[in-house]
Amino acid sequence: NAGVTQTPKFQVLKTGQSMTLQCAQDMNHEYMSWYRQDPGMGLRLIHYSVGAGITDQGEVPNGYNVSRSTTEDFPLRLLSAAPSQTSVYFCASSYQTGPMNGYTFGSGTRLTVV
Amino acid sequence: GQQVMQIPQYQHVQEGEDFTTYCNSSTTLSNIQWYKQRPGGHPVFLIQLVKSGEVKKQKRLTFQFGEAKKNSSLHITATQTTDVGTYFCAVDLGNEKLTFGTGTRLTIIP
Repeated sequence: NAGVTQTPKFQVLKTGQSMTLQCAQDMNHEYMSWYRQDPGMGLRLIHYSVGAGITDQGEVPNGYNVSRSTTEDFPLRLLSAAPSQTSVYFCASSYQTGPMNGYTFGSGTRLTVV
Repeated sequence: GQQVMQIPQYQHVQEGEDFTTYCNSSTTLSNIQWYKQRPGGHPVFLIQLVKSGEVKKQKRLTFQFGEAKKNSSLHITATQTTDVGTYFCAVDLGNEKLTFGTGTRLTIIP
């Protein structure tokens, strides 16, 4: 049982490049979400999914796309990277729809856009 | 929109002193969760409070949910160096989105 696995752990992108941050969980959690963490800003929700085939926007969705084709995977795509997207990205999952259970977080992806 | 205010932003304490962080909302909450994030690490779920006036303890940590379910606190008794990190509250605003407070960063002076 690996929990929530995020790859890569570190990434440097040039402005305008695109990439996908991977997130996978093996706990059969229905609920998955992506957060970004910036100094002094706490954790801000980017996109979330309440089950396979269902996604919705969070607080800061612009510049990001997601899909949920399987229960296990929830990749985050940066369409055209900008320096403002330099951040630490966390994927999290929860057992049931609606956050009535604690979230399990991945170890994060530290992204720098130059 | 609704905000969750967490205070203080920073707290420096001598080892052995107590520590408290507070989370406040302008509206009634259905539940509140607390997380700890060690420096360089990821948030780790500590506990969830659901009932009005609820108090839960985990060793030296005491969690409280206010009677009006608009505020919550996390109190650590006799801090240790292992308590270093940032403590976040998180609330369900009723739309299946978990919103995090800005966190309280605790540093311990040995």
